[in-house]
Amino acid sequence: SQQGEEDPQALSIQEGENATMNCSYKTSINNLQWYRQNSGRGLVHLILIRSNEREKHSGRLRVTLDTSKKSSSLLITASRAADTASYFCATVLFTGANSKLTFGKGITLSVRP
Amino acid sequence: DTGVSQDPRHKITKRGQNVTFRCDPISEHNRLYWYRQTLGQGPEFLTYFQNEAQLEKSRLLSDRFSAERPKGSFSTLEIQRTEQGDSAMYLCASSFGLAGVDTQYFGPGTRLTVL
Repeated sequence: SQQGEEDPQALSIQEGENATMNCSYKTSINNLQWYRQNSGRGLVHLILIRSNEREKHSGRLRVTLDTSKKSSSLLITASRAADTASYFCATVLFTGANSKLTFGKGITLSVRP
Repeated sequence: DTGVSQDPRHKITKRGQNVTFRCDPISEHNRLYWYRQTLGQGPEFLTYFQNEAQLEKSRLLSDRFSAERPKGSFSTLEIQRTEQGDSAMYLCASSFGLAGVDTQYFGPGTRLTVL
């Protein structure tokens, strides 16, 4: 079953603008990850944030995590047309040696040139 | 190319036929995962291997589904007596299994269409 819920479901912005995507989840987690998926293809890992971290940066990406609110946000700064894709948050709760990902339904981001 | 590979990329079959998909993980990765993704949804976990041992199976994995990872290298996912509801993208991922930071690397997926 899906754990995360992303918000908004779809986002359309102009190239150069910032894109903010939110994710809420329901249970305890060990870490939360964001993935990108280009049309009908495999997923690309973007960033991982551990449950004891509040903010992480990677290039034009900034992710925050608020475990008290069970929510995370992904900010993409200075967006480019190539950022057009679906973005998924996925949570991990370690069960033994299993680190399975529990995904949300995803956000469709369109960046207009 | 040293990424995760999957074969075939597309499979069209008739209802009732058996299909088998293959996943080749990144060579040094000891963990291998299968997920299924339907249109407009995020991927859902199916099963997980650590080396050759299948350690967890989702309730989504009915008796018609079987997965193997002989010798802890490549993995196969077989679906017997396919149904139209099996139409989906089947994704494989592998990871090194570092404690606390188990980043999974995904293959391009196999898109199954059951007619």
